[in-house]
Amino acid sequence: GQNIDQPTEMTATEGAIVQINCTYQTSGFNGLFWYQQHAGEAPTFLSYNVLDGLEEKGRFSSFLSRSKGYSYLLLKELQMKDSASYLCAAGGGGGNKLTFGTGTQLKVEL
Amino acid sequence: DAGVIQSPRHEVTEMGQEVTLRCKPISGHNSLFWYRQTMMRGLELLIYFNNNVPIDDSGMPEDRFSAKMPNASFSTLKIQPSEPRDSAVYFCASSLWTSGPKGELFFGEGSRLTVL
Repeated sequence: GQNIDQPTEMTATEGAIVQINCTYQTSGFNGLFWYQQHAGEAPTFLSYNVLDGLEEKGRFSSFLSRSKGYSYLLLKELQMKDSASYLCAAGGGGGNKLTFGTGTQLKVEL
Repeated sequence: DAGVIQSPRHEVTEMGQEVTLRCKPISGHNSLFWYRQTMMRGLELLIYFNNNVPIDDSGMPEDRFSAKMPNASFSTLKIQPSEPRDSAVYFCASSLWTSGPKGELFFGEGSRLTVL
């Protein structure tokens, strides 16, 4: 089966850097995704890692270690609008199935 | 370009009634997913289709739930009879599935279901 773990909540200060960790267990792993979801809205794609290492995209970066079943999302120069839930999702279990974690609710404060 | 379109956006119904949720995926996408989101359980995959064929329905809670995809541009998720514990936001998502690196999922705005 699939299992995704990530912290439930995090708080950070505007302008700071925050790292959201995710561990996963899945058979037939074929990629790790991060999504952002604002309250009352649909999840939107942030990043995708299939190989080990860091993928950088503007203020957001995502890291993957397949041997450790571990990923993190790094958010730099935090802004108030970054307050949202961040969902870690692992592909695997056959085909293009994508299993989501329960999400990390990030609160950015002044 | 139009994204994934879901209807209705909100539905309030009474226990025992039939509920039908509808989804139109992005044109050209060949995979369609139905997810349910609650505070307690997060985003759960109910069922997904590739090329209109159901591939994995292991997440469908019980026989009260059924999903169909009669063609590449339309899918339904039906709950009959509905129960209060079915109250949740139901998301439809689509993607372009290939044998290579996986494509991202594009989500609809969701259908918020309340069963009284």
